[in-house]
Amino acid sequence: DQQVKQNSPSLSVQEGRISILNCDYTNSMFDYFLWYKKYPAEGPTFLISISSIKDKNEDGRFTVFLNKSAKHLSLHIVPSQPGDSAVYFCAASGTDKLIFGTGTRLQVFP
Amino acid sequence: DTGVSQNPRHKITKRGQNVTFRCDPISEHNRLYWYRQTLGQGPEFLTYFQNEAQLEKSRLLSDRFSAERPKGSFSTLEIQRTEQGDSAMYLCASSLAWQGSREQYFGPGTRLTVT
Repeated sequence: DQQVKQNSPSLSVQEGRISILNCDYTNSMFDYFLWYKKYPAEGPTFLISISSIKDKNEDGRFTVFLNKSAKHLSLHIVPSQPGDSAVYFCAASGTDKLIFGTGTRLQVFP
Repeated sequence: DTGVSQNPRHKITKRGQNVTFRCDPISEHNRLYWYRQTLGQGPEFLTYFQNEAQLEKSRLLSDRFSAERPKGSFSTLEIQRTEQGDSAMYLCASSLAWQGSREQYFGPGTRLTVT
Protein backbone atom coordinates (compact mmCIF):
# COMPACT_ATOMS: atom_id res chain seq x y z
CA ASP A 1 0.00 0.00 0.00
CA GLN A 2 1.21 3.45 -0.91
CA GLN A 3 1.46 5.36 2.37
CA VAL A 4 2.82 8.53 0.73
CA LYS A 5 1.26 9.70 -2.52
CA GLN A 6 2.22 12.35 -5.01
CA ASN A 7 -0.63 12.33 -7.48
CA SER A 8 0.84 14.78 -9.98
CA PRO A 9 3.67 13.17 -11.94
CA SER A 10 4.64 16.47 -13.53
CA LEU A 11 4.22 20.23 -13.20
CA SER A 12 5.23 23.03 -15.55
CA VAL A 13 5.61 26.59 -14.23
CA GLN A 14 6.85 29.83 -15.70
CA GLU A 15 9.98 31.38 -14.22
CA GLY A 16 9.14 33.86 -11.45
CA ARG A 17 5.77 32.30 -10.66
CA ILE A 18 4.88 30.05 -7.73
CA SER A 19 5.34 26.28 -7.89
CA ILE A 20 3.07 24.21 -5.63
CA LEU A 21 3.84 20.53 -5.18
CA ASN A 22 1.39 18.36 -3.26
CA CYS A 23 1.67 15.21 -1.18
CA ASP A 24 -0.87 13.08 0.69
CA TYR A 25 -0.24 10.44 3.33
CA THR A 26 -2.33 7.79 5.00
CA ASN A 27 -0.45 6.85 8.18
CA SER A 28 -1.35 9.10 11.13
CA MET A 29 1.74 7.83 13.00
CA PHE A 30 4.05 9.85 10.74
CA ASP A 31 5.52 12.72 12.76
CA TYR A 32 8.05 14.24 10.37
CA PHE A 33 7.78 15.15 6.73
CA LEU A 34 10.59 16.05 4.36
CA TRP A 35 11.04 17.23 0.80
CA TYR A 36 13.93 16.14 -1.37
CA LYS A 37 15.01 17.33 -4.79
CA LYS A 38 16.69 15.03 -7.30
CA TYR A 39 18.61 15.80 -10.44
CA PRO A 40 19.37 13.03 -12.98
CA ALA A 41 22.33 10.82 -12.05
CA GLU A 42 22.50 12.29 -8.52
CA GLY A 43 21.15 11.19 -5.17
CA PRO A 44 18.22 13.03 -3.54
CA THR A 45 19.15 16.33 -1.87
CA PHE A 46 17.37 17.42 1.31
CA LEU A 47 15.38 20.64 0.93
CA ILE A 48 13.15 21.28 3.92
CA SER A 49 11.28 19.42 6.65
CA ILE A 50 8.39 19.95 9.02
CA SER A 51 7.39 18.38 12.30
CA SER A 52 3.80 17.25 12.81
CA ILE A 53 3.46 19.75 15.65
CA LYS A 54 3.83 22.62 13.19
CA ASP A 55 1.73 23.70 10.23
CA LYS A 56 4.32 25.76 8.36
CA ASN A 57 8.06 25.91 7.91
CA GLU A 58 9.90 28.38 5.72
CA ASP A 59 13.44 28.45 4.37
CA GLY A 60 14.20 31.12 1.81
CA ARG A 61 12.15 30.52 -1.32
CA PHE A 62 10.81 27.22 0.03
CA THR A 63 7.80 26.87 2.34
CA VAL A 64 6.19 23.63 3.45
CA PHE A 65 2.61 23.58 4.74
CA LEU A 66 1.13 20.70 6.72
CA ASN A 67 -2.59 20.02 7.14
CA LYS A 68 -2.80 17.15 9.59
CA SER A 69 -6.56 16.79 9.51
CA ALA A 70 -6.44 16.33 5.74
CA LYS A 71 -3.18 14.33 5.88
CA HIS A 72 -1.82 16.64 3.24
CA LEU A 73 1.33 18.67 2.79
CA SER A 74 2.54 20.99 0.10
CA LEU A 75 5.80 22.62 -0.96
CA HIS A 76 5.68 26.16 -2.29
CA ILE A 77 8.60 27.57 -4.26
CA VAL A 78 8.49 31.34 -4.77
CA PRO A 79 9.78 32.64 -7.11
CA SER A 80 10.47 29.62 -9.28
CA GLN A 81 13.79 29.54 -11.12
CA PRO A 82 15.00 27.41 -14.04
CA GLY A 83 17.50 25.73 -11.71
CA ASP A 84 14.56 24.39 -9.70
CA SER A 85 13.73 22.02 -12.56
CA ALA A 86 14.11 18.56 -11.05
CA VAL A 87 12.11 15.70 -9.54
CA TYR A 88 10.74 16.48 -6.07
CA PHE A 89 10.05 13.71 -3.58
CA CYS A 90 7.90 13.97 -0.49
CA ALA A 91 8.96 11.68 2.38
CA ALA A 92 7.43 10.82 5.73
CA SER A 93 8.88 9.34 8.88
CA GLY A 94 7.34 7.75 11.94
CA THR A 95 10.43 5.90 13.04
CA ASP A 96 13.93 6.06 11.62
CA LYS A 97 13.34 5.16 7.99
CA LEU A 98 11.85 7.41 5.33
CA ILE A 99 8.81 6.48 3.23
CA PHE A 100 8.90 8.25 -0.13
CA GLY A 101 6.26 9.22 -2.64
CA THR A 102 6.71 8.57 -6.34
CA GLY A 103 7.87 12.10 -7.13
CA THR A 104 6.74 15.09 -9.17
CA ARG A 105 8.83 16.35 -12.07
CA LEU A 106 8.94 20.14 -12.00
CA GLN A 107 9.87 22.06 -15.12
CA VAL A 108 10.43 25.81 -14.85
CA PHE A 109 10.43 27.51 -18.23
CA PRO A 110 11.53 31.07 -19.10
CA ASP B 1 34.43 16.20 -0.35
CA THR B 2 32.73 15.35 2.93
CA GLY B 3 29.46 13.98 1.49
CA VAL B 4 28.27 10.39 1.20
CA SER B 5 30.19 8.45 -1.45
CA GLN B 6 29.25 5.23 -3.20
CA ASN B 7 31.25 2.87 -5.37
CA PRO B 8 30.97 1.79 -8.05
CA ARG B 9 28.64 4.31 -9.69
CA HIS B 10 27.58 1.80 -12.33
CA LYS B 11 27.65 -1.98 -12.40
CA ILE B 12 26.60 -4.27 -15.22
CA THR B 13 26.46 -7.95 -14.37
CA LYS B 14 25.07 -11.16 -15.77
CA ARG B 15 22.18 -12.92 -14.11
CA GLY B 16 23.38 -15.31 -11.45
CA GLN B 17 26.54 -13.37 -10.57
CA ASN B 18 27.23 -11.82 -7.18
CA VAL B 19 27.79 -8.08 -6.78
CA THR B 20 28.96 -5.91 -3.90
CA PHE B 21 28.49 -2.19 -3.43
CA ARG B 22 30.27 0.09 -0.99
CA CYS B 23 29.04 3.18 0.85
CA ASP B 24 31.15 5.65 2.82
CA PRO B 25 28.93 7.89 4.99
CA ILE B 26 29.58 11.39 6.26
CA SER B 27 32.31 10.80 8.81
CA GLU B 28 30.53 11.91 11.98
CA HIS B 29 27.25 10.18 11.12
CA ASN B 30 26.46 7.06 13.13
CA ARG B 31 23.44 5.92 11.12
CA LEU B 32 23.65 4.46 7.62
CA TYR B 33 20.73 3.49 5.41
CA TRP B 34 20.30 1.56 2.17
CA TYR B 35 17.44 2.29 -0.24
CA ARG B 36 16.55 0.99 -3.67
CA GLN B 37 14.94 3.06 -6.41
CA THR B 38 13.37 1.74 -9.60
CA LEU B 39 12.14 3.75 -12.57
CA GLY B 40 9.14 5.93 -11.77
CA GLN B 41 9.25 5.15 -8.05
CA GLY B 42 10.62 6.86 -5.00
CA PRO B 43 13.42 5.32 -2.96
CA GLU B 44 12.33 2.25 -0.97
CA PHE B 45 13.91 1.44 2.38
CA LEU B 46 16.01 -1.73 2.55
CA THR B 47 17.92 -1.67 5.84
CA TYR B 48 19.79 0.55 8.26
CA PHE B 49 22.62 0.48 10.80
CA GLN B 50 23.37 2.41 13.91
CA ASN B 51 27.11 2.14 14.32
CA GLU B 52 27.82 -1.51 13.47
CA ALA B 53 24.41 -2.87 14.54
CA GLN B 54 21.85 -3.64 11.86
CA LEU B 55 18.61 -2.42 13.43
CA GLU B 56 15.96 -3.02 10.78
CA LYS B 57 15.54 -4.93 7.53
CA SER B 58 12.70 -4.50 5.05
CA ARG B 59 10.81 -7.50 3.73
CA LEU B 60 12.14 -6.31 0.35
CA LEU B 61 15.53 -7.56 1.49
CA SER B 62 15.42 -11.19 0.40
CA ASP B 63 17.86 -13.87 1.56
CA ARG B 64 20.04 -13.06 -1.45
CA PHE B 65 20.78 -9.62 -0.01
CA SER B 66 23.17 -9.01 2.87
CA ALA B 67 24.52 -5.79 4.31
CA GLU B 68 27.35 -5.19 6.74
CA ARG B 69 28.93 -2.29 8.55
CA PRO B 70 31.73 -4.07 10.38
CA LYS B 71 33.50 -1.15 12.05
CA GLY B 72 30.65 1.31 12.17
CA SER B 73 32.11 3.33 9.31
CA PHE B 74 31.66 2.19 5.69
CA SER B 75 29.03 -0.36 4.68
CA THR B 76 28.73 -2.98 1.96
CA LEU B 77 25.60 -4.35 0.30
CA GLU B 78 25.98 -7.72 -1.41
CA ILE B 79 23.49 -9.31 -3.78
CA GLN B 80 24.01 -12.99 -4.48
CA ARG B 81 22.72 -14.80 -7.58
CA THR B 82 21.47 -11.58 -9.16
CA GLU B 83 18.16 -11.56 -11.03
CA GLN B 84 16.92 -9.15 -13.67
CA GLY B 85 14.46 -7.74 -11.12
CA ASP B 86 17.41 -6.54 -9.05
CA SER B 87 18.19 -3.91 -11.69
CA ALA B 88 17.76 -0.60 -9.90
CA MET B 89 19.55 2.37 -8.36
CA TYR B 90 20.90 1.50 -4.94
CA LEU B 91 21.14 4.55 -2.70
CA CYS B 92 23.00 4.97 0.56
CA ALA B 93 22.22 7.68 3.10
CA SER B 94 23.60 8.68 6.48
CA SER B 95 22.41 10.69 9.46
CA LEU B 96 23.03 11.46 13.11
CA ALA B 97 20.90 9.45 15.51
CA TRP B 98 19.95 12.45 17.62
CA GLN B 99 18.96 14.63 14.67
CA GLY B 100 15.38 15.51 15.45
CA SER B 101 14.39 16.44 11.94
CA ARG B 102 15.15 12.94 10.57
CA GLU B 103 17.21 14.41 7.75
CA GLN B 104 19.17 11.83 5.81
CA TYR B 105 21.94 12.73 3.38
CA PHE B 106 22.16 10.65 0.25
CA GLY B 107 25.04 9.53 -1.90
CA PRO B 108 24.94 9.55 -5.72
CA GLY B 109 23.85 5.91 -5.90
CA THR B 110 25.05 2.78 -7.67
CA ARG B 111 23.11 1.87 -10.78
CA LEU B 112 22.91 -1.90 -11.20
CA THR B 113 21.97 -3.48 -14.52
CA VAL B 114 21.47 -7.25 -14.60
CA THR B 115 21.52 -8.73 -18.11
